[in-house]
Amino acid sequence: DVQMTQSPSTLSASVGDRVTITCRASQSVSRWVAWYQQKPGKAPKFLIHMASYLETGVPSRFSGSGSGTEFTLTISSLQPDDFATYYCQQYDTYSPGSFGQGTKVEIK
Amino acid sequence: EVQLVESGGGSVQPGGSLRLSCAASGFTFSSYAMSWVRQAPGKGLEWVSVISGSGGSTYYADSVKGRFTISRDNSNNTLYLQLNSLRAEDTAVYYCAKAYSGSYLNPFDFWGQGAVVTVSS
Repeated sequence: DVQMTQSPSTLSASVGDRVTITCRASQSVSRWVAWYQQKPGKAPKFLIHMASYLETGVPSRFSGSGSGTEFTLTISSLQPDDFATYYCQQYDTYSPGSFGQGTKVEIK
Repeated sequence: EVQLVESGGGSVQPGGSLRLSCAASGFTFSSYAMSWVRQAPGKGLEWVSVISGSGGSTYYADSVKGRFTISRDNSNNTLYLQLNSLRAEDTAVYYCAKAYSGSYLNPFDFWGQGAVVTVSS
C-alpha cells in the first residue's frame, strides 16, 4: 500500500507569510496527487489535482508542485481565510494510506 | 449545482448495523465513480470504499473489507454504504464524495456534509 507522509503536522504562521507543506509518498505516484483544505466541522474542499492544477475558484496564492514521491503545497501569502488543515491524497492506487495525516496551519 | 446529501447516521451498539445513503444531484450520477471517506473524531481522512459509475466494480479499505458494502442506484441517483459488524473504531463522520473525472482512480471534487456514526455500548 502507498503511504503518504505529510510534514509538518502543525505549522504556525502569520498573515502574509509564505507557507510550504510537504507530502512524501512511499513509492512513486507519478503526478497523481491532490490537495484539500478542511475547516473545523466542514467537509474537505478540493484545491489541486494532478500535483499542480488549481481548481476553478481557488485563489492563485495556492500552488502545487512535485512528481514521483515528493510534493509540495505552497501558499504564497497567507490570508486569514487560509487557517485550516490541509491534506494531500494520492490517487495512483487506492489504499488506506491514500491521504496524508494532515497539516494544521494555525495563527502564530 | 452539484449536491451530495448524506443520511442514515446514528448511534449503534458494537456488532450492530447501519445503512448510509447519499442523494446526489446536479450531475450525471451514473457517469461518475463515487466514494465513501471517513474521519474519526480529531483524526485525519481515511478512504473507505469506491464504486464505479456502473456499479460493476467496488473496492474497499482492508479495515472494512467483509463488513461494509458499497452500492448505488443510478435510477434514483443514490449511493449507499451498508455497515455491518460495527466496532468502536468505526466511529466517524462518513462523507460521500464524487470522483473528479469519472473513473474510480480520481480525486474528489465534491463532498457531502457528512453523516455521523457512533458505535458505543
